[in-house]
Formats: sequence, structure tokens, C-alpha cells
Amino acid sequence: DAKTTQPPSMDCAEGRAANLPCNHSTISGNEYVYWYRQIHSQGPQYIIHGLKNNETNEMASLIITEDRKSSTLILPHATLRDTAVYYCIVRAPTGTASKLTFGTGTRLQVTL
Amino acid sequence: DTEVTQTPKHLVMGMTNKKSLKCEQHMGHRAMYWYKQKAKKPPELMFVYSYEKLSINESVPSRFSPECPNSSLLNLHLHALQPEDSALYLCASSQDPGIPGELFFGEGSRLTVL
Repeated sequence: DAKTTQPPSMDCAEGRAANLPCNHSTISGNEYVYWYRQIHSQGPQYIIHGLKNNETNEMASLIITEDRKSSTLILPHATLRDTAVYYCIVRAPTGTASKLTFGTGTRLQVTL
Repeated sequence: DTEVTQTPKHLVMGMTNKKSLKCEQHMGHRAMYWYKQKAKKPPELMFVYSYEKLSINESVPSRFSPECPNSSLLNLHLHALQPEDSALYLCASSQDPGIPGELFFGEGSRLTVL
């Protein structure tokens, strides 16, 4: 699976949009981009995933660049409860069991 | 039911003890995973079960022994652990092992080895 690079930490004011970048310059054509987050002392929580097109769900939006070498997770109106470590992961379908490998992630701190 | 349930939530054991961690899901998922997470580190994959068969073992020491008795249940048997094995152990499941999709994680079992 392709390696990802994320900033170690970011701050965001409550109510503002949080834009979390991820670089995956070695991504292959069949690899998906996933985002998970982990709130302190809880299990990781799935947020969103995509292949080529931008995706949106009730939690967030995922913007993937046209060359697919980077992506941005957008939390449109961050709240204090969004304070967590956010992981960007790249994973390909294999036809058999495959790994979801976590990198070091971005620690997002949402402040008043 | 979209939950992965892990028991116990906390476990303290000595280095000579034998204990087990349990994970259960009733979503009909056919892939189940064990991850280990040390403090301030990302989760690290240990094992993957696909259709109740062990398909990935990330070179985990034999003192950790996974078991998948049926499609809903995943156990991790612990024996002769070391203090450095103290960590949060996370279980996860996904619908189809080979198709990218959401992994559902449990809240974890926090293990302390004395």
C-alpha cells in the first residue's frame, strides 16, 4: 500500500471548517483513500473513503486532486467533539484479506 | 446492530497468567482484525481473519494466539506475556475481506502486564 504523509498537528476554531491535508504521491490507480479518526481512549472511527471523485457524507467531505497524489478531508463546521487524531490511509482491493495500515496521523485540536 | 463488542475493557495479568480477550460482532462481517496500540502511537495490525481462516499474521510472537470459533466471534489468547505487551488491543470487522470498505472498531481492551 502507498505511504501517506500528514502534518503532525493542526488547530481549528470551533465553528470553522477544518481542512486536513494528506499526501499520497505514490498512490496506485486502484488504491482507495480512507480517513479514520480516533478520539482519545476510543477505537478508530471510519469517516469516509474515495477513489477518484470527491465524496461527501454526513460527517465530512473528501477532496482528491485530479492526479490523486493528495487529498483533503474537510470537516465543515468543527466542534470540540471533533478533537481527535485523524488518519489518512491508502488501501487497495486485493480479492483476499488486506491490511489497513495506520500512519502517524494528524492531531486536530478544536478550540473555543 | 453496528457494534463490535470487546471484553473485558480492562485486564491486568501477571507474566505467568493465561487470559483471553474476546470480540463479537453481529453484522454478518466476514473479516475480523486484531490491532495493538501503544500509548501515543497508531494502531498496528496483528492478525486478519478472512471467512474464519487466519489470512494475515504480522509476525506476531506466539505468546499471542488468535482464534475465530465462528463468523461472529474472535478471541485473542494470551500466555506468558511481557510487560512491554501492555497496550490497548483493538478488534475490528469488515463486510468483505477483499473489497475496500469501512472497518468497524470496538472500544478496545486495555491490557496491563505486571
